[in-house]
Amino acid sequence: GENVEQHPSTLSVQEGDSAVIKCTYSDSASNYFPWYKQELGKRPQLIIDIRSNVGEKKDQRIAVTLNKTAKHFSLHITETQPEDSAVYFCAARDDKIIFGKGTRLHILP
Amino acid sequence: GAGVSQSPSNKVTEKGKDVELRCDPISGHTALYWYRQSLGQGLEFLIYFQGNSAPDKSGLPSDRFSAERTGGSVSTLTIQRTQQEDSAVYLCASSSTRNEQFFGPGTRLTVL
Repeated sequence: GENVEQHPSTLSVQEGDSAVIKCTYSDSASNYFPWYKQELGKRPQLIIDIRSNVGEKKDQRIAVTLNKTAKHFSLHITETQPEDSAVYFCAARDDKIIFGKGTRLHILP
Repeated sequence: GAGVSQSPSNKVTEKGKDVELRCDPISGHTALYWYRQSLGQGLEFLIYFQGNSAPDKSGLPSDRFSAERTGGSVSTLTIQRTQQEDSAVYLCASSSTRNEQFFGPGTRLTVL
């Protein structure tokens, strides 16, 4: 079955700088790659997703890139703000959605 | 429309008792997932229902855990003879064929 690895587990960046979170997956049949943000005490919410026929997708300060050959995808957050502090989960789907273990992002003032 | 709902929001039980957790998915969503999230940890996959197919139970941690989905809608996760290590937040999520998952608010289970 699918296995998703996510790095780093914790990331601290200065406010205004960029943050990058990386994930790899094992199943070459996976074709959908969502990213979820989970704030403290709340449920995970989708922030951006990408499908396997696209290499990059951007939504304001958030972008995701996908390299199908290498089986890895990344989340990029630019001009980070305090409200970006949260846990971020990547996921991959062929049949069912499998999540990475999450990255705790701290935005430092 | 209404999102995914779960009940109860909190459940405190004594070790050895059985518990039932309920999930009401978004109407029309064919896929339903159960996850377990311990404090500060990731989303541990438990079970996955897709339409009328046999559920994928590969994530259930022991035979004390079971789940069913009646009529392709509401799902119940049952934990028998609860143990303290079962304490966690249990999250349900549903999705349509467009893949985006919507999560419920979760049930916080505490086993004393």
